[in-house]
Amino acid sequence: QSVLTQPPSTSGAPGQRVTISCSGGSPNIGSNSVNWYQQLPGKAPTLLIYNSYQRPSGVPDRFSGSKSGTSASLTISGLRSEDEAAYYCATWDDRMNEFWVFGGGTKLTVL
Amino acid sequence: QITLKESGPTLVEPTQTLTLTCTFSGFSLTTAGVGAGWIRQPPGKALEFLGLIYWNDDRRHSPSLRDRVTITKVSSKNLVFLTMTNMDPVDTATYYCVHYLDFRTGKRYFDLWGRGTLVTVSS
Repeated sequence: QSVLTQPPSTSGAPGQRVTISCSGGSPNIGSNSVNWYQQLPGKAPTLLIYNSYQRPSGVPDRFSGSKSGTSASLTISGLRSEDEAAYYCATWDDRMNEFWVFGGGTKLTVL
Repeated sequence: QITLKESGPTLVEPTQTLTLTCTFSGFSLTTAGVGAGWIRQPPGKALEFLGLIYWNDDRRHSPSLRDRVTITKVSSKNLVFLTMTNMDPVDTATYYCVHYLDFRTGKRYFDLWGRGTLVTVSS
């Protein structure tokens, strides 16, 4: 049972826009920024969004992040077949001497 | 260019202790704001934070695994170690070593991951 809640799966057609939600609580998302990771099949995760909305160099601007209260979202615009992957949110939790928490992951299928 | 590589046993028996080594390059664990963490992923399941060690030797651990996990480093040799005691089949997972940055402004993240190493716990 993950501390952060994500939908297990979502889908979209090429060119469409999809949004993946990540829900937490006051000690984690409510107090800290959120990072998003993309994990292609059989690969290690890569950083997609940090500080809730910033993109590392090389990440297309089709990917965007936002945060409001105790929830965060990842939006992918202009969906492409290579976006088919699992997506994870992560943040810092201020309880119990602080630790990182991850969402359960969302599997994106490009139809 | 930052690289991280995990190494260690691929098979351990239940109740044994697992020790994994992370050999990294392209950064120093003596630089303020830098850390290295361990994250695992059971087959077909989600990512799970195990622990993190900072440049100043401060550490953070998963509350649920705190009693079993120890993370240490040898900064001069660019090495980070994960030790996990009393291994169980449910600990079967890919274990990742990850580079970490903390800007002390609220901005912090794991940015670069090793390829991971699959550890199977079975007798």
